[in-house]
Amino acid sequence: GAVVSQHPSWVICKSGTSVKIECRSLDFQATTMFWYRQFPKQSLMLMATSNEGSKATYEQGVEKDKFLINHASLTLSTLTVTSAHPEDSSFYICSARDPRGLDEAFFGQGTRLTVV
Amino acid sequence: GENVEQHPSTLSVQEGDSAVIKCTYSDSASNYFPWYKQELGKRPQLIIDIRSNVGEKKDQRIAVTLNKTAKHFSLHITETQPEDSAVYFCAALNTGNQFYFGTGTSLTVIP
Repeated sequence: GAVVSQHPSWVICKSGTSVKIECRSLDFQATTMFWYRQFPKQSLMLMATSNEGSKATYEQGVEKDKFLINHASLTLSTLTVTSAHPEDSSFYICSARDPRGLDEAFFGQGTRLTVV
Repeated sequence: GENVEQHPSTLSVQEGDSAVIKCTYSDSASNYFPWYKQELGKRPQLIIDIRSNVGEKKDQRIAVTLNKTAKHFSLHITETQPEDSAVYFCAALNTGNQFYFGTGTSLTVIP
């Protein structure tokens, strides 16, 4: 299947700093990527839909100024957690669908963010 | 948006028994329903999926059924094995091409 790579796999940062997470589609072009957040033992909550060349679409309750999304190319979307706080600690995971195939979503390996 | 509900949240079965997980969705226009298996700290892995023009699909020990009228779909795992222990998520793809996930089921297969 298609490959989606996410980097970094885990990161620890201090409160008040910003953290950037990258999501790349390695063998296909993705005009749309999705960002999810997952708390321990909970489901994947859709945060936003990242659109290449245009603004991201955020789900209700997600602060767009807090979670900056940039989708500058057909193979890369980035999520920047700005002014991180301990409550932002979570597992962040991206996904994309290969337009050449069917509906299956391919996930990055996820990023474990810990804010101290 | 779409609202996907999943039950049960936890499920324990004896090895060799069957496990059934159920999901309902709210958007009647949703047309693709995958099931994912997620192990701790890892990415979800697709195990089976079904489209709205099909009522049932089977792949070895795993099967999925879909009732469009009632807007629910179910995952069936037969002859469970300890390695089936994981968290399982259902999802629905809406007309906006966004996936919405159920709340997850933690399955434990007892040897």
